[in-house]
Amino acid sequence: GAGVSQSPSNKVTEKGKDVELRCDPISGHTALYWYRQSLGQGLEFLIYFQGNSAPDKSGLPSDRFSAERTGGSVSTLTIQRTQQEDSAVYLCASSWYNQPQHFGDGTRLSIL
Amino acid sequence: QKEVEQDPGPLSVPEGAIVSLNCTYSNSAFQYFMWYRQYSRKGPELLMYTYSSGNKEDGRFTAQVDKSSKYISLFIRDSQPSDSATYLCAMRAGAGNNRKLIWGLGTSLAVNP
Repeated sequence: GAGVSQSPSNKVTEKGKDVELRCDPISGHTALYWYRQSLGQGLEFLIYFQGNSAPDKSGLPSDRFSAERTGGSVSTLTIQRTQQEDSAVYLCASSWYNQPQHFGDGTRLSIL
Repeated sequence: QKEVEQDPGPLSVPEGAIVSLNCTYSNSAFQYFMWYRQYSRKGPELLMYTYSSGNKEDGRFTAQVDKSSKYISLFIRDSQPSDSATYLCAMRAGAGNNRKLIWGLGTSLAVNP
Protein backbone atom coordinates (compact mmCIF):
# COMPACT_ATOMS: atom_id res chain seq x y z
CA GLY A 1 0.00 0.00 0.00
CA ALA A 2 0.93 3.66 -0.16
CA GLY A 3 0.54 4.46 3.51
CA VAL A 4 2.89 4.44 6.50
CA SER A 5 3.79 0.88 7.43
CA GLN A 6 4.83 -0.19 10.93
CA SER A 7 6.12 -3.52 12.17
CA PRO A 8 5.53 -5.53 14.18
CA SER A 9 1.87 -4.67 14.74
CA ASN A 10 2.03 -6.28 18.18
CA LYS A 11 4.96 -7.03 20.44
CA VAL A 12 4.95 -8.73 23.83
CA THR A 13 8.23 -8.91 25.70
CA GLU A 14 9.58 -9.39 29.19
CA LYS A 15 10.74 -6.56 31.39
CA GLY A 16 14.41 -5.84 30.85
CA LYS A 17 14.54 -6.96 27.22
CA ASP A 18 15.39 -4.65 24.32
CA VAL A 19 12.85 -4.04 21.51
CA GLU A 20 13.11 -2.56 18.03
CA LEU A 21 10.14 -1.00 16.26
CA ARG A 22 10.24 -0.26 12.54
CA CYS A 23 8.57 2.42 10.42
CA ASP A 24 8.39 2.65 6.63
CA PRO A 25 7.16 6.14 5.70
CA ILE A 26 5.16 7.14 2.66
CA SER A 27 7.49 7.14 -0.33
CA GLY A 28 9.03 10.57 -0.91
CA HIS A 29 8.11 11.97 2.48
CA THR A 30 11.02 13.93 3.89
CA ALA A 31 9.94 14.11 7.53
CA LEU A 32 9.25 11.26 9.94
CA TYR A 33 7.84 11.39 13.45
CA TRP A 34 7.41 9.00 16.38
CA TYR A 35 4.64 9.38 18.94
CA ARG A 36 3.47 7.25 21.86
CA GLN A 37 -0.19 6.77 22.77
CA SER A 38 -1.23 5.45 26.15
CA LEU A 39 -4.50 5.40 28.06
CA GLY A 40 -5.08 8.60 29.95
CA GLN A 41 -2.02 10.29 28.45
CA GLY A 42 -3.12 10.66 24.87
CA LEU A 43 -0.54 11.06 22.12
CA GLU A 44 2.92 12.23 23.13
CA PHE A 45 5.62 13.37 20.72
CA LEU A 46 8.90 11.47 20.90
CA ILE A 47 11.19 12.51 18.03
CA TYR A 48 11.18 14.14 14.59
CA PHE A 49 13.50 13.43 11.64
CA GLN A 50 14.12 15.63 8.64
CA GLY A 51 16.05 13.41 6.27
CA ASN A 52 18.40 11.37 8.45
CA SER A 53 18.86 14.10 11.05
CA ALA A 54 16.79 14.55 14.21
CA PRO A 55 16.35 18.30 14.87
CA ASP A 56 13.94 17.59 17.73
CA LYS A 57 14.32 14.63 20.07
CA SER A 58 12.89 16.47 23.06
CA GLY A 59 10.14 13.91 23.68
CA LEU A 60 12.32 10.85 24.24
CA PRO A 61 11.49 9.89 27.85
CA SER A 62 14.90 8.59 28.89
CA ASP A 63 18.26 7.49 27.54
CA ARG A 64 16.81 3.98 27.16
CA PHE A 65 15.02 5.30 24.06
CA SER A 66 16.84 5.95 20.80
CA ALA A 67 15.90 6.23 17.15
CA GLU A 68 17.63 6.39 13.82
CA ARG A 69 16.64 6.90 10.22
CA THR A 70 18.66 5.66 7.29
CA GLY A 71 18.58 6.55 3.59
CA GLY A 72 16.00 9.22 4.31
CA SER A 73 13.46 6.44 4.56
CA VAL A 74 13.09 3.64 7.13
CA SER A 75 13.31 4.46 10.83
CA THR A 76 13.88 2.25 13.86
CA LEU A 77 12.88 3.14 17.42
CA THR A 78 14.82 1.13 20.01
CA ILE A 79 13.90 0.76 23.65
CA GLN A 80 16.56 -0.80 25.86
CA ARG A 81 15.94 -2.55 29.17
CA THR A 82 12.17 -2.21 28.81
CA GLN A 83 10.04 -1.28 31.82
CA GLN A 84 6.33 -1.85 32.36
CA GLU A 85 5.63 1.86 31.95
CA ASP A 86 6.90 1.55 28.37
CA SER A 87 3.72 -0.38 27.47
CA ALA A 88 1.84 1.74 24.93
CA VAL A 89 1.04 2.06 21.24
CA TYR A 90 3.98 3.51 19.33
CA LEU A 91 2.84 5.48 16.28
CA CYS A 92 4.91 6.64 13.35
CA ALA A 93 3.92 9.44 10.99
CA SER A 94 5.47 10.98 7.91
CA SER A 95 4.99 14.19 5.95
CA TRP A 96 6.25 16.12 2.94
CA TYR A 97 8.32 18.81 4.69
CA ASN A 98 5.90 21.05 6.62
CA GLN A 99 2.71 19.43 5.33
CA PRO A 100 0.22 17.42 7.47
CA GLN A 101 1.41 14.27 9.17
CA HIS A 102 0.00 10.89 8.09
CA PHE A 103 0.06 8.00 10.52
CA GLY A 104 0.56 4.26 10.46
CA ASP A 105 -1.51 1.89 12.58
CA GLY A 106 1.14 1.61 15.27
CA THR A 107 2.95 -1.10 17.21
CA ARG A 108 1.18 -2.27 20.35
CA LEU A 109 3.92 -2.94 22.89
CA SER A 110 3.20 -4.90 26.06
CA ILE A 111 5.84 -5.39 28.73
CA LEU A 112 5.22 -8.32 31.06
CA GLN B 1 -3.34 22.31 33.08
CA LYS B 2 -2.79 20.65 29.71
CA GLU B 3 -1.92 22.81 26.70
CA VAL B 4 -4.90 21.37 24.80
CA GLU B 5 -8.20 20.51 26.47
CA GLN B 6 -10.82 18.28 24.88
CA ASP B 7 -13.96 16.83 26.44
CA PRO B 8 -13.56 13.03 26.28
CA GLY B 9 -17.31 12.38 26.09
CA PRO B 10 -18.59 9.83 25.29
CA LEU B 11 -20.96 11.55 22.90
CA SER B 12 -23.93 9.56 21.59
CA VAL B 13 -26.18 10.91 18.81
CA PRO B 14 -28.82 9.51 16.45
CA GLU B 15 -28.01 9.01 12.79
CA GLY B 16 -28.48 12.21 10.80
CA ALA B 17 -27.69 14.55 13.71
CA ILE B 18 -25.25 17.44 13.55
CA VAL B 19 -22.25 16.77 15.77
CA SER B 20 -20.16 19.52 17.33
CA LEU B 21 -16.70 18.73 18.73
CA ASN B 22 -14.32 21.26 20.18
CA CYS B 23 -10.97 21.93 21.81
CA THR B 24 -9.50 24.82 23.72
CA TYR B 25 -5.82 25.62 24.00
CA SER B 26 -3.54 27.91 25.93
CA ASN B 27 -0.47 28.43 23.71
CA SER B 28 -0.92 31.50 21.49
CA ALA B 29 1.99 30.30 19.30
CA PHE B 30 -0.15 27.54 17.77
CA GLN B 31 -0.83 28.29 14.10
CA TYR B 32 -1.68 24.93 12.50
CA PHE B 33 -4.80 23.07 13.61
CA MET B 34 -5.86 19.56 12.71
CA TRP B 35 -8.64 17.10 13.35
CA TYR B 36 -7.94 13.40 13.17
CA ARG B 37 -10.33 10.45 13.37
CA GLN B 38 -9.20 7.25 15.02
CA TYR B 39 -10.98 3.93 14.79
CA SER B 40 -10.27 1.20 17.33
CA ARG B 41 -6.82 -0.38 16.89
CA LYS B 42 -6.01 1.93 13.97
CA GLY B 43 -3.80 4.98 13.59
CA PRO B 44 -5.16 8.55 13.49
CA GLU B 45 -6.54 9.55 10.07
CA LEU B 46 -6.32 13.19 9.01
CA LEU B 47 -9.74 14.79 8.48
CA MET B 48 -9.15 18.53 8.41
CA TYR B 49 -6.11 20.82 8.35
CA THR B 50 -6.33 24.57 8.79
CA TYR B 51 -3.85 27.40 9.17
CA SER B 52 -4.62 30.34 11.46
CA SER B 53 -8.19 31.53 12.01
CA GLY B 54 -11.18 30.86 9.78
CA ASN B 55 -13.45 28.15 8.47
CA LYS B 56 -12.80 25.22 6.18
CA GLU B 57 -15.38 22.87 4.71
CA ASP B 58 -14.89 19.40 3.20
CA GLY B 59 -18.01 17.44 2.39
CA ARG B 60 -19.93 16.82 5.63
CA PHE B 61 -17.11 18.23 7.76
CA THR B 62 -16.49 21.87 8.74
CA ALA B 63 -13.56 23.03 10.83
CA GLN B 64 -13.51 26.41 12.57
CA VAL B 65 -10.60 28.14 14.26
CA ASP B 66 -10.97 31.16 16.52
CA LYS B 67 -7.48 32.19 17.60
CA SER B 68 -8.74 35.16 19.60
CA SER B 69 -10.65 32.75 21.86
CA LYS B 70 -8.13 29.89 21.51
CA TYR B 71 -11.00 27.62 20.48
CA ILE B 72 -11.38 25.19 17.59
CA SER B 73 -14.40 23.21 16.45
CA LEU B 74 -15.30 20.38 14.12
CA PHE B 75 -18.86 20.01 12.86
CA ILE B 76 -20.16 16.83 11.26
CA ARG B 77 -23.40 17.15 9.28
CA ASP B 78 -25.75 14.24 8.55
CA SER B 79 -23.79 11.96 10.86
CA GLN B 80 -23.54 8.28 9.91
CA PRO B 81 -22.88 5.14 11.99
CA SER B 82 -19.52 4.92 10.17
CA ASP B 83 -18.57 8.22 11.87
CA SER B 84 -18.46 6.37 15.20
CA ALA B 85 -14.84 6.78 16.30
CA THR B 86 -12.60 8.88 18.53
CA TYR B 87 -11.94 12.41 17.26
CA LEU B 88 -8.64 14.00 18.17
CA CYS B 89 -7.66 17.63 17.82
CA ALA B 90 -3.99 18.43 17.29
CA MET B 91 -2.08 21.65 16.83
CA ARG B 92 1.42 23.01 16.51
CA ALA B 93 3.41 26.19 16.29
CA GLY B 94 4.77 27.19 12.89
CA ALA B 95 8.37 28.04 13.56
CA GLY B 96 11.22 26.19 11.86
CA ASN B 97 11.87 22.71 13.18
CA ASN B 98 9.11 22.85 15.79
CA ARG B 99 6.91 20.24 14.10
CA LYS B 100 5.62 18.33 17.11
CA LEU B 101 1.88 18.03 17.36
CA ILE B 102 0.23 18.72 20.71
CA TRP B 103 -2.92 16.65 21.14
CA GLY B 104 -6.22 16.68 22.94
CA LEU B 105 -7.19 13.44 24.65
CA GLY B 106 -9.91 12.75 22.08
CA THR B 107 -13.72 12.66 22.12
CA SER B 108 -15.43 9.30 21.70
CA LEU B 109 -18.44 9.54 19.35
CA ALA B 110 -21.16 6.95 18.80
CA VAL B 111 -23.71 7.49 16.01
CA ASN B 112 -26.71 5.23 16.54
CA PRO B 113 -28.72 3.89 13.57
